[in-house]
Amino acid sequence: GENVEQHPSTLSVQEGDSAVIKCTYSDSASNYFPWYKQELGKRPQLIIDIRSNVGEKKDQRIAVTLNKTAKHFSLHITETQPEDSAVYFCAAVAPNTGNQFYFGTGTSLTVIP
Amino acid sequence: SAVISQKPSRDICQRGTSLTIQCQVDSQVTMMFWYRQQPGQSLTLIATANQGSEATYESGFVIDKFPISRPNLTFSTLTVSNMSPEDSSIYLCSGGQGKDTIYFGEGSWLTVV
Repeated sequence: GENVEQHPSTLSVQEGDSAVIKCTYSDSASNYFPWYKQELGKRPQLIIDIRSNVGEKKDQRIAVTLNKTAKHFSLHITETQPEDSAVYFCAAVAPNTGNQFYFGTGTSLTVIP
Repeated sequence: SAVISQKPSRDICQRGTSLTIQCQVDSQVTMMFWYRQQPGQSLTLIATANQGSEATYESGFVIDKFPISRPNLTFSTLTVSNMSPEDSSIYLCSGGQGKDTIYFGEGSWLTVV
């Protein structure tokens, strides 16, 4: 089955700097890659997603890139702000598994004011 | 856009009781899945809910503790039985059909006291 690895597990950046979180997956059939942000005491919220027919997607300060050949995808946050501090989870979804979500282990991002 | 809803969104439960979580999607999906997120952890698959047959459970999860129903192609329930504080978690459902139809619920936050 699919295996998703996420790095780093923790990340600290200065406010205004960029943050990058990387995930790799193993199943070449995976075709949907969402990213979730989970603030302390809250449920995971979808912040951006990308499908396998697209290489990059942007939404204001966040972007996701996908390299299907290398089987990795990354979340990029530019001009980080303290409110970006949260745990971020990546996931890979493959139609051959009935669209089961396979999650990474999470990255705890701290933005230092 | 595709709609999925979970009920309840949040509940506080007494030790030893059981609670049933509902997951409703707005179009038919072949597969539905249930996940658990324990505090500070990533999301883990509990089981796959199959319409017309018993659910398929992952290692570490059993039917007596987490009975699942799937009466039709748009609805599923997960019951957390005989709850203990260790069952305090966020429970989430997802569903999929084909390559492009993917649902992921907002989660049900259970606290067992």
